[in-house]
Amino acid sequence: DGGITQSPKYLFRKEGQNVTLSCEQNLNHDAMYWYRQDPGQGLRLIYYSQIVNDFQKGDIAEGYSVSREKKESFPLTVTSAQKNPTAFYLCASSIRWAGYQPQHFGDGTRLSIL
Amino acid sequence: AQSVTQPDIHITVSEGASLELRCNYSYGATPYLFWYVQSPGQGLQLLLKYFSGDTLVQGIKGFEAEFKRSQSSFNLRKPSVHWSDAAEYFCAVGRDIRYGGSQGNLIFGKGTKLSVKP
Repeated sequence: DGGITQSPKYLFRKEGQNVTLSCEQNLNHDAMYWYRQDPGQGLRLIYYSQIVNDFQKGDIAEGYSVSREKKESFPLTVTSAQKNPTAFYLCASSIRWAGYQPQHFGDGTRLSIL
Repeated sequence: AQSVTQPDIHITVSEGASLELRCNYSYGATPYLFWYVQSPGQGLQLLLKYFSGDTLVQGIKGFEAEFKRSQSSFNLRKPSVHWSDAAEYFCAVGRDIRYGGSQGNLIFGKGTKLSVKP
């Protein structure tokens, strides 16, 4: 079955540590997205990529970094500069970046601070 | 700028009762509209989408939504709610680059949490 796989499901970070969240899709989608979700705040866009080897900052990119070296992969690194990283992180993809294309979501990674 | 408003943060309905979740959007032309559902600890699942044509759209899990241009609304409905419908629901509109922005292709509302009483 085609879909989006996020791993790990739960992740713990120590102070001052960088951690990387994995997102892999086998839907052959061009566009991919990372969201952060906090209670009561909906979805906030961190980074997005319209096509391989290209990505753009979203609304809350500070303290995060991404890469898009392969079409199917869009890993997110939460750096030590992100002072409040505890949240639920969602990865999504769409066939292409267009307003009529729905996004397909992974099951998320919950990041907590030790 | 385009935006999506879900006026109700939290709604509680009894099992078997009807449900209507509200969604309003700001947009100039015929929008692309979506409803998603999120169960606790899960990702979002697409319930239905509206592009054009018939203003009443059928989706999965027995949900439907009606597009009303005059009210800039796209409300989600279900005739009889089941306990398994308890979740958070997100409305979204497709971004039109003519209205600026270079962010995600969808603009999401902040969600409505649905609780179901037995």
